[in-house]
Amino acid sequence: GAGVSQSPRYKVAKRGQDVALRCDPISGHVSLFWYQQALGQGPEFLTYFQNEAQLDKSGLPSDRFFAERPEGSVSTLKIQRTQQEDSAVYLCASSTSMGQETQYFGPGTRLLVL
Amino acid sequence: LAKTTQPISMDSYEGQEVNITCSHNNIATNDYITWYQQFPSQGPRFIIQGYKTKVTNEVASLFIPADRKSSTLSLPRVSLSDTAVYYCLVGEDGGSYIPTFGRGTSLIVHP
Repeated sequence: GAGVSQSPRYKVAKRGQDVALRCDPISGHVSLFWYQQALGQGPEFLTYFQNEAQLDKSGLPSDRFFAERPEGSVSTLKIQRTQQEDSAVYLCASSTSMGQETQYFGPGTRLLVL
Repeated sequence: LAKTTQPISMDSYEGQEVNITCSHNNIATNDYITWYQQFPSQGPRFIIQGYKTKVTNEVASLFIPADRKSSTLSLPRVSLSDTAVYYCLVGEDGGSYIPTFGRGTSLIVHP
């Protein structure tokens, strides 16, 4: 079956520009996670949804970052007024439920802010 | 807050067995240990998960001693395609699982 998909795969933005990153989780997966991965580092948690409810956003680095999942399926991570330090790979993962269930990751969106 | 410590990097040769150990001294009673593998330009992929003793699947084995303060991922007869970064994760207590990946172990398999 189809896995987690993300779009775009690559995004180049000028500093100050707004960007929107999309995640299509595996159909039926309740939980959805967003991560930020800097070069040479492991993924760092940003935020977590259970269905349409955003249960944890403690990892979002600033109020310029905003995530939503309005119908409990597709999710969008929006970054306003991008800065160079936002350059990273943004990963989305989904799982069947909460807790320590296996997460299925998408390929990520590589964002470069110039 | 359960925290993990892994070697930054390891080198091996094709056909050898590779063991990567992860320390998690503060593991909680309800926590499981999960390992992920990540290739360049891809998202992490689940390898194996365990709670205690030994777990084996078609890809790897996971050894967990009785005190559960560490775990060892064992990859039998590695090939060049096993070159990747391997992450050890431990679930947080309290029912709200916020995965913490750390920097992982970069495994390079040489011909």
